[in-house]
Amino acid sequence: DVKVTQSSRYLVKRTGEKVFLECVQDMDHENMFWYRQDPGLGLRLIYFSYDVKMKEKGDIPEGYSVSREKKERFSLILESASTNQTSMYLCASSLARNSNQPQHFGDGTRLSIL
Amino acid sequence: DAKTTQPPSMDCAEGRAANLPCNHSTISGNEYVYWYRQIHSQGPQYIIHGLKNNETNEMASLIITEDRKSSTLILPHATLRDTAVYYCIVRLPINTGTASKLTFGTGTRLQVTL
Repeated sequence: DVKVTQSSRYLVKRTGEKVFLECVQDMDHENMFWYRQDPGLGLRLIYFSYDVKMKEKGDIPEGYSVSREKKERFSLILESASTNQTSMYLCASSLARNSNQPQHFGDGTRLSIL
Repeated sequence: DAKTTQPPSMDCAEGRAANLPCNHSTISGNEYVYWYRQIHSQGPQYIIHGLKNNETNEMASLIITEDRKSSTLILPHATLRDTAVYYCIVRLPINTGTASKLTFGTGTRLQVTL
């Protein structure tokens, strides 16, 4: 079974802090994604990566950055956390760029910025 | 990606089969049908996907009509743990650019009862 592991289920941080969200997958997937999910807004793509050291902006990259130094790990960084970044953050991975194989999600990190 | 239509809610008695319909009348020839579910406060869980043939795995069966304009997800023996929001997604097997993002509609809220 595919396993996508996010480092924290719940996280509380303060405005202005630098926040790191970690995601690890164990299936040698090429693609990794970061989404946020908010009530009424559905899933929104923040960043994604097709390969090590490669990243592309999604629909809402402002205020975020990412790092992919190893194939299995994709980190999301909130450079200076703000209250409007309070959300559920979801990491996903999928096998390859042009493949019908699905995206698999982690359990999510519910982040609160005070 | 083709638009999908699902009923907002359904009930099912525990132990009975749950049949969740999805209409995707504008589906194109190379778009796949994917099903996910999301249990409250957890990440989305991949269930099954298919192109035109019926598919079955350990979780569910997917029945796609011959014209591919609709499909049905079947949970053969629903349990209380199957209570969740179920999402039907139609998309191309392309993970390039922001086309790689998943977009969930409003889904069907399945309530399994004793």
